[in-house]
Amino acid sequence: KNQVEQSPQSLIILEGKNCTLQCNYTVSPFSNLRWYKQDTGRGPVSLTIMTFSENTKSNGRYTATLDADTKQSSLHITASQLSDSASYICVVSRGASTDSWGKFQFGAGTQVVVTP
Amino acid sequence: DSGVTQTPKHLITATGQRVTLRCSPRSGDLSVYWYQQSLDQGLQFLIQYYNGEERAKGNILERFSAQQFPDLHSELNLSSLELGDSALYFCASSETGVGYTFGSGTRLTVV
Repeated sequence: KNQVEQSPQSLIILEGKNCTLQCNYTVSPFSNLRWYKQDTGRGPVSLTIMTFSENTKSNGRYTATLDADTKQSSLHITASQLSDSASYICVVSRGASTDSWGKFQFGAGTQVVVTP
Repeated sequence: DSGVTQTPKHLITATGQRVTLRCSPRSGDLSVYWYQQSLDQGLQFLIQYYNGEERAKGNILERFSAQQFPDLHSELNLSSLELGDSALYFCASSETGVGYTFGSGTRLTVV
């Protein structure tokens, strides 16, 4: 079972509108959570990173929230633009000291399409 | 520029052939990860190297292999290529506990 679940799988929004993407995780122990934006055919680019003690982190029109108690995170996109059309991937890092692939758990991503 | 360099950006080859993809990690990062992303699919972990040693394997086919050299660059070798191997191949490097930095990927097309 995937330890990082994202929803919705995809969504279509009108330009200028807001939207919220969800990420629920069961990864333990928790180290940090990062949201990535991946444009089609390009490498993922980090938007925000949050540690256990952080509740909110903003990057321009992107605002991520984290509730470490419920193990939930959200990514809010404000006043969407056509350039926001992309896949948004949630990645949760374990708190282990070893640097192993299992340390990073990937969600399947949410595909966002912004229409004029 | 993320600091992670992948070459070539595009590669077209025939079935049965062998190709080598190259990745130079971000300066100071010891870990290199390889991922495969097929059309409309999520990132699939292939293999990780840390300071020259294989650290973990994911869903990597036996026809695929990788190595990391003393200068920390890594190469992913894909042999006996099949049509289904057509995909984007991403390399990422990391500093422990910080997270990934991805390269821009190599688009492999097998015809």
